Amino acid sequence: KNEVEQSPQNLTAQEGEFITINCSYSVGISALHWLQQHPGGGIVSLFMLSSGKKKHGRLIATINIQEKHSSLHITASHPRDSAVYICAVPHSNYQLIWGAGTKLIIKP
Amino acid sequence: DTGVSQDPRHKITKRGQNVTFRCDPISEHNRLYWYRQTLGQGPEFLTYFQNEAQLEKSRLLSDRFSAERPKGSFSTLEIQRTEQGDSAMYLCASSFNHNEQFFGPGTRLTVL
Repeated sequence: KNEVEQSPQNLTAQEGEFITINCSYSVGISALHWLQQHPGGGIVSLFMLSSGKKKHGRLIATINIQEKHSSLHITASHPRDSAVYICAVPHSNYQLIWGAGTKLIIKP
Repeated sequence: DTGVSQDPRHKITKRGQNVTFRCDPISEHNRLYWYRQTLGQGPEFLTYFQNEAQLEKSRLLSDRFSAERPKGSFSTLEIQRTEQGDSAMYLCASSFNHNEQFFGPGTRLTVL
């Protein structure tokens, strides 16, 4: 069992739909990262959160430390949101354990 | 732009040549990380620096790879005698201590 698991692996939706991507982890953590990667591109850090909820524009991230679960939501999805979304948790003092990523495609 | 920058963005080289990549972190960040990502895979940790000290190296980092951060600011990653298997995206990230890591745009290396 991977230490960080994401679901779904692939998600295709229509423009405007509400999107949810889930992340479960098995290790004890102090915080969790959500990152975005466009095809052929670098990685953009979206959120780092250790409790509760964070919101940035149409993106919302929540985390439940007790249940070891986090979700990333996108409201009013748009084709430009199409990307791979990755959750990652700290391992030791410096490394990140990466989830496999969720490939999101938003169709116009 | 005050984010993490990397240079060059793309590098095409012939097998056996040496290449060097540069990363400029966010100025107040004391930690700098190098990752490698191959197509369809997640990033793999290579090494990290706290200020100028290289504190950890992955076993993925063979003897042909060397990284430096001489003044605790920018870092260079050199690959000697490149092989086709070195073709990948090389990502740099920086953070203040163990806080959120911010990534650069990456350097895409193609070894012919």
